[in-house]
Amino acid sequence: QVQVVESGGGLVKPGGSLRLSCATSGFSFSDFYMTWVRQAPGKGLEWVSYITMSGSYTFYADSVKGRATISRDNGKNSVYLQMNSLSAEDTGVYYCVRTAALAAAGTWYHYMDVWGKGTTITVSS
Amino acid sequence: SYELIQTPSVSVSPGQTARISCSGERLDDKYVCWYQQKPGQSPLLVIYQDDKRPSGIPERFSGSNSGNTATLTISGTQAVDEADYYCQAWDMSIVFFGGGTKLTV
Repeated sequence: QVQVVESGGGLVKPGGSLRLSCATSGFSFSDFYMTWVRQAPGKGLEWVSYITMSGSYTFYADSVKGRATISRDNGKNSVYLQMNSLSAEDTGVYYCVRTAALAAAGTWYHYMDVWGKGTTITVSS
Repeated sequence: SYELIQTPSVSVSPGQTARISCSGERLDDKYVCWYQQKPGQSPLLVIYQDDKRPSGIPERFSGSNSGNTATLTISGTQAVDEADYYCQAWDMSIVFFGGGTKLTV
């Protein structure tokens, strides 16, 4: 059974840091990108970051660039998101998402097909 | 930066066809995915690569992408389809989500 389980969320003061973890099972982890998506309370989905299969390439939304670091351990089937200098705007549910990256007709297409239940970051003094 | 625009809300009666649109510049140059999110739940992929349905997604869900607009169509809409729907595309290695459409049945 394919599973994606996030952990590491919590209450943190402005300016603080948190490291989110995402443990996966039931699929060949190294064959997939992994993506973090967040959702502020009552708001829509916001892409945060993704990492390619080997971990060689990482990409970040402008809203977290310079404050977030995504990494993965293919031996542990896990992906991580280190978030620093947190502010109230970072409050929300953080989803870890399995992301397929496939080639077709000379181009790439991607889709996020397995979502975890999310872990919540609350930034408040 | 690229932007995907969705109508905030759509309302249909049970059994009718719901059409949820997503607009972006030259959107048909990109592949579009659609996600369904019900209250208190994680998003669920319902359409990928413009018009492909993942295993387990009912046939009443279909997608299209032409010009500047992608459309998620739900034929014979059921009460269970009431949810928020988000379009999503990749542009220059960056991921973009639309603002979401609340579908009321």
